[in-house]
Amino acid sequence: SYVLTQPPSVSVAPGKTASITCEGDNIGRKSVHWYQQKPGQAPVLVIYNDSDRPSGIPERFSGSRSANTATLTISRVEAADEADFYCQLRDTSSDRHIFGGGTKLTV
Amino acid sequence: QVHLVESGGGVVQPGTSLRLSCAASGFTFGTSTMDWVRQAPGKGLEWVALIFFDGSNKNYADSVKGRFSVFRDNSKNILYLLMNSLRPEDTAVYYCARGRGGGSLDSWGQGTLVTVSS
Repeated sequence: SYVLTQPPSVSVAPGKTASITCEGDNIGRKSVHWYQQKPGQAPVLVIYNDSDRPSGIPERFSGSRSANTATLTISRVEAADEADFYCQLRDTSSDRHIFGGGTKLTV
Repeated sequence: QVHLVESGGGVVQPGTSLRLSCAASGFTFGTSTMDWVRQAPGKGLEWVALIFFDGSNKNYADSVKGRFSVFRDNSKNILYLLMNSLRPEDTAVYYCARGRGGGSLDSWGQGTLVTVSS
């Protein structure tokens, strides 16, 4: 089955840029989505279709994708950005959603 | 504004059944694919099931296939998850979410906790 791999943790100083990666075989051929989840809260979609931002999500959040890696980039990181982040895609061959294991962002 | 509210969670014994509900409002429920996603305590997100807008297609994670069933009532704007033969490893917060065309899940409920324990 398809697997998405994320680093367990990323640390960044306030005001700097954080990059969270998501690796998967031929991920460049799929649409990747990113979610932010703060403790005790439901996940929130922050990036969809690799690089689009839902309304209300700050421009500091951006997404990109290469052949085998998708990346969520958060610029000018704030303390309030501290959360778990998950990548996700829909595997069209099985018609199932796949989540990465999640990355804890520490500011 | 999209609003999803799950209910039906609780503490149950292994081998028993439970039905979760997700009441939807603020959008055209009858034209939306809907999903269930769960999160075990201290763990990551795990997709559980999806159902097409008209119920014509359903799919399940291997971990629940044959035990869980997803269905919907478009006349009442409610999504359901019937969980049979529950196991301790099914203990989790269960979220319902709206699916979009590219495969993203753009709106989530607050979740309902299911605890399977003897």
